[in-house]
Amino acid sequence: NAGVTQTPKFRVLKTGQSMTLLCAQDMNHEYMYWYRQDPGMGLRLIHYSVGEGTTAKGEVPDGYNVSRLKKQNFLLGLESAAPSQTSVYFCASCNSNQPQHFGDGTRLSIL
Amino acid sequence: RKEVEQDPGPFNVPEGATVAFNCTYSNSASQSFFWYRQDCRKEPKLLMSVYSSGNEDGRFTAQLNRASQYISLLIRDSKLSDSATYLCVDMEYGNKLVFGAGTILRVKS
Repeated sequence: NAGVTQTPKFRVLKTGQSMTLLCAQDMNHEYMYWYRQDPGMGLRLIHYSVGEGTTAKGEVPDGYNVSRLKKQNFLLGLESAAPSQTSVYFCASCNSNQPQHFGDGTRLSIL
Repeated sequence: RKEVEQDPGPFNVPEGATVAFNCTYSNSASQSFFWYRQDCRKEPKLLMSVYSSGNEDGRFTAQLNRASQYISLLIRDSKLSDSATYLCVDMEYGNKLVFGAGTILRVKS
């Protein structure tokens, strides 16, 4: 039982490049979340999913897309990376009325 | 050993009770700690930061013990609305957050 696994752990991109962050959980959780965490700010919700095949916008969705084709995976995509998207990204998952389980984070730098 | 460890609970307490949670951390160089509260379908909400001198906000008090490498959260006069999961968070060098697994609190009438 690996919990919540995020890949990659680090990445440096150039402005305009695209990439996908992968979140995988092996706990059969229904709910999955993508957050970004920036200095001086708390976690901000980007997108979330309440089940396989569903996604919804969070607080800061612009510039990101997500997909939940399989229950265990939640992908976060950056189509055209911008320096403002330099951040640490956290994925989390849970079932109703249970704590969210967090991944170790992905540090993304965009030059 | 996990970097941030919490007792998962649940802590079941009556209304009005005082309850305390501890959280241990392994990185002796860590400088900043936080307590978040969250429920599954809501994003975590920053409850308070934890400073060396301690921090108090109403019914909530957070303390940091560097010698023993733990932080604590004390809740006085528990309310039903305090029922939640409390996440201990360590901000490591470079502003990366490391989350504990959470402590579940259930306040009952």
